[in-house]
Amino acid sequence: GIQVEQSPPDLILQEGANSTLRCNFSDSVNNLQWFHQNPWGQLINLFYIPSGTKQNGRLSATTVATERYSLLYISSSQTTDSGVYFCAVVFWGVKAAGNKLTFGGGTRVLVKP
Amino acid sequence: DTAVSQTPKYLVTQMGNDKSIKCEQNLGHDTMYWYKQDSKKFLKIMFSYNNKELIINETVPNRFSPKSPDKAHLNLHINSLELGDSAVYFCASSQRGVGSTYGYTFGSGTRLTVV
Repeated sequence: GIQVEQSPPDLILQEGANSTLRCNFSDSVNNLQWFHQNPWGQLINLFYIPSGTKQNGRLSATTVATERYSLLYISSSQTTDSGVYFCAVVFWGVKAAGNKLTFGGGTRVLVKP
Repeated sequence: DTAVSQTPKYLVTQMGNDKSIKCEQNLGHDTMYWYKQDSKKFLKIMFSYNNKELIINETVPNRFSPKSPDKAHLNLHINSLELGDSAVYFCASSQRGVGSTYGYTFGSGTRLTVV
C-alpha cells in the first residue's frame, strides 16, 4: 500500500553535531515537504522539495524522486532544532485525489547542550 | 499577519458535549484541510474542501462535520464528544494542482481534551 517511512524514529545529538534524516516513499510523488514540529506543537514548513536539492541556513534537503527517497541534513545542530521532523508527500495519479498530503511517522530529535 | 489561524488553541470539554473549531486562511488558497494528530504524533487527514466543495472524506465518524462557508474558511463541528476524540487538530491550506510553490501551510493546532 501507499507508505511514507522515516528513519531513524529517534535521534539524540550533542549540540554542534551533524545528522541525516531519511524519508522513503512507496510511489511517485508530485509534492514532498519536510516539516519541523517544535516543542510547542507548531508545524513549520522547512522545504517544499519534490525533487532536487535545497538549502536554508544550516538545513538542507535532497529528494531523489526516481529512487523514492528524500534526505534532510541538519548541520551544527542547536538545542532549538529539537522536536519532531516530518516528511509528507502527495502521490501522483489516482492516489493524488484531492492533493492529500500523507505523513510519515516522524523522527524525534533531541539536541543536548 | 497569520496565514492559517485556528481558534481556539485549547479546548477542554466534557464527554457528550458538542464543540466547534474554526479555521481561516488569508493566503488565497483554494483548498483547505483538517488533520488529526494522535497521542503518538501521527498525522492523518480527515477532510478536504476545494472552493467549498468536499473532496476528501476519510473514514471519520459522522459525529464530525466540516463546513466551509467560503474558500477562506473551514470549520469543524464535533457532536457527542468521546474520550477518544482527544487529540490535536490541525487546519491547513494549499493551492490545488500539481502543488503550489510553497506547498501546504498549517495552522498552529487546537488541542482538544475530552474529560
